[in-house]
Amino acid sequence: KAGVTQTPRYLIKTRGQQVTLSCSPISGHRSVSWYQQTPGQGLQFLFEYFSETQRNKGNFPGRFSGRQFSNSRSEMNVSTLELGDSALYLCASSLGRVINEQFFGPGTRLTVL
Amino acid sequence: SQELEQSPQSLIVQEGKNLTINCTSSKTLYGLYWYKQKYGEGLIFLMMLQKGGEEKSHEKITAKLDEKKQQSSLHITASQPSHAGIYLCGADRGRETSGSRLTFGEGTQLTVNP
Repeated sequence: KAGVTQTPRYLIKTRGQQVTLSCSPISGHRSVSWYQQTPGQGLQFLFEYFSETQRNKGNFPGRFSGRQFSNSRSEMNVSTLELGDSALYLCASSLGRVINEQFFGPGTRLTVL
Repeated sequence: SQELEQSPQSLIVQEGKNLTINCTSSKTLYGLYWYKQKYGEGLIFLMMLQKGGEEKSHEKITAKLDEKKQQSSLHITASQPSHAGIYLCGADRGRETSGSRLTFGEGTQLTVNP
């Protein structure tokens, strides 16, 4: 089976712009979660989508949003980018049960200038 | 304070030595995950533990879950340079919110000197 894929792998944007990141889960997985990783804050949960519905949300401002399509692929959008949004954005794929194995993609490195 | 405390924060060992990394939770553990990360890359799934007393092994890596102590340990036997990286433990808080959301420790940076 192919693993979790994320595109693009690297992205450079300027403050005020918006960005869309994409995540394709493992075939058959219905849950996609997004995480932000920074040196100062570590890995922090953004949100989780399951069957096209947001099932969980972390403590991030409304500039961070996401969606999931019927084929379980997910996108994450950040509007009005700030310097502090520079981070590695990781998505995780799972079957969607309460406790189950979570597999991560390689991440998208976002740099905001 | 962190929900998940990992110790030590960093570890330097000589190739061939055994080592242990600990992860302690301030909340009840339902699912405990161990991942390995190379700097700037994605997380590689190592193991998931669900039940108290559960122990899993993969190659030279063994993880145990002590539910009473709300603690997990990751043990590497006869370490190799390929074991180097950042080891992260994660706890699933999904039962509290329905669905999945992992909370992670700060990680343990492992260096294995040849």
